[in-house]
Formats: sequence, C-alpha cells, structure tokens
Amino acid sequence: GAVVSQHPSRVICKSGTSVKIECRSLDFQATTMFWYRQFPKQSLMLMATSNEGSKATYEQGVEKDKFLINHASLTLSTLTVTSAHPEDSSFYICSALQGRGHRYYGYTFGSGTRLTVV
Amino acid sequence: AQKITQTQPGMFVQEKEAVTLDCTYDTSDPSYGLFWYKQPSSGEMIFLIYQGSYDQQNATEGRYSLNFQKARKSANLVISASQLGDSAMYFCAMREGQESSASKIIFGSGTRLSIRP
Repeated sequence: GAVVSQHPSRVICKSGTSVKIECRSLDFQATTMFWYRQFPKQSLMLMATSNEGSKATYEQGVEKDKFLINHASLTLSTLTVTSAHPEDSSFYICSALQGRGHRYYGYTFGSGTRLTVV
Repeated sequence: AQKITQTQPGMFVQEKEAVTLDCTYDTSDPSYGLFWYKQPSSGEMIFLIYQGSYDQQNATEGRYSLNFQKARKSANLVISASQLGDSAMYFCAMREGQESSASKIIFGSGTRLSIRP
C-alpha cells in the first residue's frame, strides 16, 4: 500500500531557530500534500494545501511566512517552521493525495512530527 | 462551509461489546466523502472506513461498519466485538467534492474510546 515517510518523528529546538519537516511518498506520486497541526487532545487542523510545482494555499489564520511549504517534486514536500517559538510546539502531520484521487486510499498520512520549542 | 461534529468526547466500553461512535456533518455539496480514522497514542492516523455520498450501501471493513443516514447527515462508526487494542482516539472526517477532486479533508473533534477488560 501507499506509504508516506515523515521525518523527523520528534524534534526539540531552541526558540528562534527554524525546523524543517519532510514528507516523502515512497511508492506513489503525491500531486497534492496537506499539512495539519494538532495540539494535545485536540483535532487535526488543516494548515495548508500544496500542489507540486505551485505555491501552497494556506488556511485562514495560518502565517505563510512562518510556515514555509515547499512541494518541489511529486514525492517530497517540506514544512519549515521559521523562527520557532514555544507556542509553535505541536504535532505536525502530513497527508498525501495520490494522483488525482483514489477511492478509499486517496489520503495517506505520515507518522507525524512532534515539535517542542524550548 | 463544511462542518463535522462529534458529540462524544470520551466513551468507555466493556471488551467484546459493540460500540457506536457518533458523527454528524453539514455540507451543501451533493458530492462528498466521509472517513473514519483511528489515532493511537503514537499519533499515526490509521484509515478505517470510507463512505461516498452516492454509495447505496453502508460501508463495512471487517469489524468496522459505517451507519450512513444521508437524510440525517450522520455517519456513525460501529465497532463490533471491541478489543483492548481499539482504545484510541477516533476521528470522523469529510471531503467535499467528487472522489477525483484533490479536495482537503476536515476532521471532527474526535472521540476517545477506552475499552475495559
């Protein structure tokens, strides 16, 4: 089945530094990637949608200059949290859409990244 | 705007009993898809079951079945013969538009299911 590899699984960084999270589709081409963040005991909130080769579309209230998304290839999308602050500490998870949509198995999630900013 | 509502923040169920997790949705799009995901403490999102808005029959996947009541806009998840390993967070989610569209999916607030031995 489709697999999305997300790295790192955990990262601790100092306040003011930047952190890059990678999501790589291993056996399929991900034309669209969705990035979510999840605070403890809360739901997944969509941050942005990225399509290969084009600029990401951010949800209302998400700072595009702070959360940089790059989807340069059909198998790799990255989320960079710039100038991270403690309030950015959260669980970040990506979801890749295979092709133009596939019944049942269209959305494949990465395993998530737990970011802690100290 | 699309909306997913899960009204049960937490549930406790005795092992081997069946459990129903509630989900209601709201959308004006005639084409949509409904998903259920399981999220254990490790954080990964495990796909359980899918129901398309035009599907005539309720979806089933092993011990999971989706009670789809279109007129009521509800898509409850039924887990039969619950197991200790079913203890996790469960999310209902929806995609607006046809299956071939690259639409985002949004999630409900989730239900934490705990199975008692």
